[in-house]
Amino acid sequence: AQSVTQLDSQVPVFEEAPVELRCNYSSSVSVYLFWYVQYPNQGLQLLLKYLSGSTLVKGINGFEAEFNKSQTSFHLRKPSVHISDTAEYFCAVTALGNDYKLSFGAGTTVTVRA
Amino acid sequence: DVKVTQSSRYLVKRTGEKVFLECVQDMDHENMFWYRQDPGLGLRLIYFSYDVKMKEKGDIPEGYSVSREKKERFSLILESASTNQTSMYLCASSTGTGAPSGYFGPGTRLTVT
Repeated sequence: AQSVTQLDSQVPVFEEAPVELRCNYSSSVSVYLFWYVQYPNQGLQLLLKYLSGSTLVKGINGFEAEFNKSQTSFHLRKPSVHISDTAEYFCAVTALGNDYKLSFGAGTTVTVRA
Repeated sequence: DVKVTQSSRYLVKRTGEKVFLECVQDMDHENMFWYRQDPGLGLRLIYFSYDVKMKEKGDIPEGYSVSREKKERFSLILESASTNQTSMYLCASSTGTGAPSGYFGPGTRLTVT
């Protein structure tokens, strides 16, 4: 079985500052990794995903994440945040050949202040 | 544009009622999923379906059942609603070929009183 740990439940950050959201995963087989964002009162939207190939993955809205197999991590970063990035962020994992069932972390709430 | 819709955004039901949550996707996806979202717990998989009339239990199926009579529609049923089923329910779909990406609906916030 796969599992995900998001190391920070809340991340306050000032506008135009960088942000990093940490995600570690556990799996005995190869995995796909995802980051989703949930804006207030909305469903989840895919930010980016790692399937294979380059370990640096670029997503929407200026986000990127780096897959580190040796450290079993998939941290999300943005060099300069905006007020509109205030949201909850979820890291998720699924194992290859696992019927595409996603296992989610508990979420990280990012609050961007002016 | 990819779309997953859920029948209600907000629902209030009484303990013991039978509750139906409906989800429709217009992407011809093979896989459909029901999750519940609770603060501090993230999303937990209740049931999923990889084909019409096929279903598999997820991590927390107790107290729930599902129905998939048509490819585009996946229903979650609470046979006898209880207060501990008060939660946000999210439906998702994904293609059965190639790499998976979940497309999510806007969610149904269910309150059981």
